[in-house]
Amino acid sequence: DTGVSQNPRHKITKRGQNVTFRCDPISEHNRLYWYRQTLGQGPEFLTYFQNEAQLEKSRLLSDRFSAERPKGSFSTLEIQRTEQGDSAMYLCASSLMGPRANYGYTFGSGTRLTVV
Amino acid sequence: GENVEQHPSTLSVQEGDSAVIKCTYSDSASNYFPWYKQELGKGPQLIIDIRSNVGEKKDQRIAVTLNKTAKHFSLHITETQPEDSAVYFCAAMSSFQKLVFGTGTRLLVSP
Repeated sequence: DTGVSQNPRHKITKRGQNVTFRCDPISEHNRLYWYRQTLGQGPEFLTYFQNEAQLEKSRLLSDRFSAERPKGSFSTLEIQRTEQGDSAMYLCASSLMGPRANYGYTFGSGTRLTVV
Repeated sequence: GENVEQHPSTLSVQEGDSAVIKCTYSDSASNYFPWYKQELGKGPQLIIDIRSNVGEKKDQRIAVTLNKTAKHFSLHITETQPEDSAVYFCAAMSSFQKLVFGTGTRLLVSP
């Protein structure tokens, strides 16, 4: 397993366009998290899944944001009608919860979104 | 919900010195406290963690201490090296749900 993979690494889009990011977690991990990070700040929680169920969404996640994990494996994060304030690094992480839980997240390298 | 505060925001040390970063948390139900190192252009990487039933944990030059009564935990790096230069984040997890991160400490180790 090569860790958590995120694509694309960079995305530049015009304001008003829709964008979609993909995250492939570590295969045996049942939890998948999305965070957003702006310059000089810590990661801010957006949403997380346990298997295919979306268990929590942050108030930061407006109705323009939607995330899916249809088969409990990879996940997508879509932003509709992008705004300049959406420019940030979008981080995906996965972890194992349950009897063999280790709690620690493994992060991907992130997708840097620039809205122009 | 949980709130994590981290200090200092920047820390400059000479190579070989020790560095200490401190965090406080608000939710007494939090039970897992990891530390992450983030280098430029990369995602955060877990370097050490501690659970609420342990007061201290060491891994070579890195140690973490936890004071549950005071709700604070600290990262200690001894014999710092230039490659330790990075941004460090503390985090806390409540009830096995999600991590809440601090605002980060930029550590600069000068040769």
